[in-house]
Amino acid sequence: KQEVTQIPAALSVPEGENLVLNCSFTDSAIYNLQWFRQDPGKGLTSLLLIQSSQREQTSGRLNASLDKSSGRSTLYIAASQPGDSATYLCAVTGNFNKFYFGSGTKLNVKP
Amino acid sequence: NAGVMQNPRHLVRRRGQEARLRCSPMKGHSHVYWYRQLPEEGLKFMVYLQKENIIDESGMPKERFSAEFPKEGPSILRIQQVVRGDSAAYFCASSPLLGGSTDTQYFGPGTRLTVL
Repeated sequence: KQEVTQIPAALSVPEGENLVLNCSFTDSAIYNLQWFRQDPGKGLTSLLLIQSSQREQTSGRLNASLDKSSGRSTLYIAASQPGDSATYLCAVTGNFNKFYFGSGTKLNVKP
Repeated sequence: NAGVMQNPRHLVRRRGQEARLRCSPMKGHSHVYWYRQLPEEGLKFMVYLQKENIIDESGMPKERFSAEFPKEGPSILRIQQVVRGDSAAYFCASSPLLGGSTDTQYFGPGTRLTVL
């Protein structure tokens, strides 16, 4: 059974710092990996999708990498801003394209 | 093209009542997924449906929970005789395709169920 783990569970940084969020998964047989952002009481916003054949994806200040063989992904956020404060969820897709989610990293960027 | 719609957005029920959560997928999407998010946790898969068929219900609790996606109308997640432990956010997602590595799901805003 696929298990997805995210470390750290919470992170507090001053504005402007670069930071890395980690995600690991136990079964490398995935279709893709996706990073989402969730604001309190809100739905999910897709940030980056990495296909299983890809190594990384970039969007603005965000860069996500995927090492399928070791079951790891990282989300790199450059020059963090207070508006980046949210919970970041990592998810991998398995059979029937269903998602397996980690428990998230709660990020607080202090002004 | 409207996104995935869920209603109600907030639902309050007393213990023992029934809860019905509705999800209208994006236009042209025939695959629907339901997920549950307990407080301070990630989302957990519940069920995957195509029109008129339940494909994978491996994440559904064995009792009190059921889901359907009729030929016409929204997908319904039904919880009978709710208990306090059912309090959670329930998210619906829809997808147009199955199995490709570029496939993704589009999430609705969720229904937040509170059981008193």
